[in-house]
Parts: sequence; structure tokens; C-alpha cells
Amino acid sequence: GAVVSQHPSRVICKSGTSVKIECRSLDFQATTMFWYRQFPKQSLMLMATSNEGSKATYEQGVEKDKFLINHASLTLSTLTVTSAHPEDSSFYICSARDQTLAGGSTDTQYFGPGTRLTVL
Amino acid sequence: QKEVEQDPGPLSVPEGAIVSLNCTYSNSAFQYFMWYRQYSRKGPELLMYTYSSGNKEDGRFTAQVDKSSKYISLFIRDSQPSDSATYLCAMSAWSSASKIIFGSGTRLSIRP
Repeated sequence: GAVVSQHPSRVICKSGTSVKIECRSLDFQATTMFWYRQFPKQSLMLMATSNEGSKATYEQGVEKDKFLINHASLTLSTLTVTSAHPEDSSFYICSARDQTLAGGSTDTQYFGPGTRLTVL
Repeated sequence: QKEVEQDPGPLSVPEGAIVSLNCTYSNSAFQYFMWYRQYSRKGPELLMYTYSSGNKEDGRFTAQVDKSSKYISLFIRDSQPSDSATYLCAMSAWSSASKIIFGSGTRLSIRP
């Protein structure tokens, strides 16, 4: 199946610093990527939808100036957590939409392995 | 009321047992129903994907959708210790690749 990678897998930073997380689709092009946040023992909550070449669409309650999303190419989207605070500590997961029909793949989302952010 | 309700468990069963995992939902617009498996500190992995009502089988896994009752199920036959994980139901109104609403996940443990 399609593979999505995230980097870094884990990051620890000081309060007030900014952290960038990369999401890459390795073997397919993704015009749409999604960013989720997952707190311990809770489900995935969609933060924003990222479309290549256009502005991201944020879910209600998600601060777009704090969580900057850039989808610069068909295989890369980045999430930057600006001026991170301890309450931003969470597991951040991206997914990429594979719309190709080659090889029997269907229009579905494939998830990355996640990035664990700890803000001290 | 949450759009998708799922019993968080934990659910513990002996190896070889049949496991039943369930979700209910309130939004009648949902048409695409998915089950994901998530191991600890990993991203979710798509297990099953169904459209509208009915059953779908894939190996030891069977997904059922009852849209009239707004109820979906995942059955795991001949459960194995490697099936121990958190299982998330998910659904979408447009497609499995569009905005997905997840359940809270059920933690499943298969005892050897």
C-alpha cells in the first residue's frame, strides 16, 4: 500500500520555540493532506486540510496563526507549531489522500506514523 | 452528543475468541465507514472500508453496517495476540478520502 512518512518521529522543545513537522507521501502524489492531533487515550481530531498550492482549511477552534501549514509540493506538507506551549504537547499525525487508480489503489487516506511533540 | 460513539474498553479476550467491536453514529449523511487499527505510538492503519449498508469480509475480519440503526460493527475471528491494539471506527459523508470523523477507539487485548 501507499506509504506516508513523518519527520521527526519525536521532538522535545522549550516553551516559546517553534517546531516544524514534515509529512511526505513516498510513492504517490497527494494533492490533499490532513493534519490530526491525538491526545493520550483519545481519538484523532482533524486540525486542518492541506491542499497543494493553496491555503489550508482549518477546523473550528484551531488557530491558523499558531499551526502554520504549507503544502508546497505534491509529496510534502509541513506543520509548524509556532511559540509552542506545554498544552501543545500531543501526538500529531498526518494523512495523505491517494486519488490514483493505478495498481488498484482507491481514493482513500493513508496515515503517517505520527510525531510526538513534548513542550517543556 | 458526539457524532460518533465508541466504547473505549479496554476489552480483553482469550486467544481464538471472536471479537465484536461497535460504533454508533448520529449523522445520517455518513455513507463511508472505515475501521482503523492503531498500535501504541503509531499512526492508524486502514483495516476495512465499506460503503453504505451491508457486510464486507476480509480474511478474519468482517465489517457490518446497519444504516437504519446507525450502527457499525467489526468482527475479528480466531483472534491472535498480534491483534492487540486500539481499533478506531471512522466515517465520512463524501468519501473515505475526505473529512473523516473518528470514534474514540476501543483498546483490545488478546490474552495468549
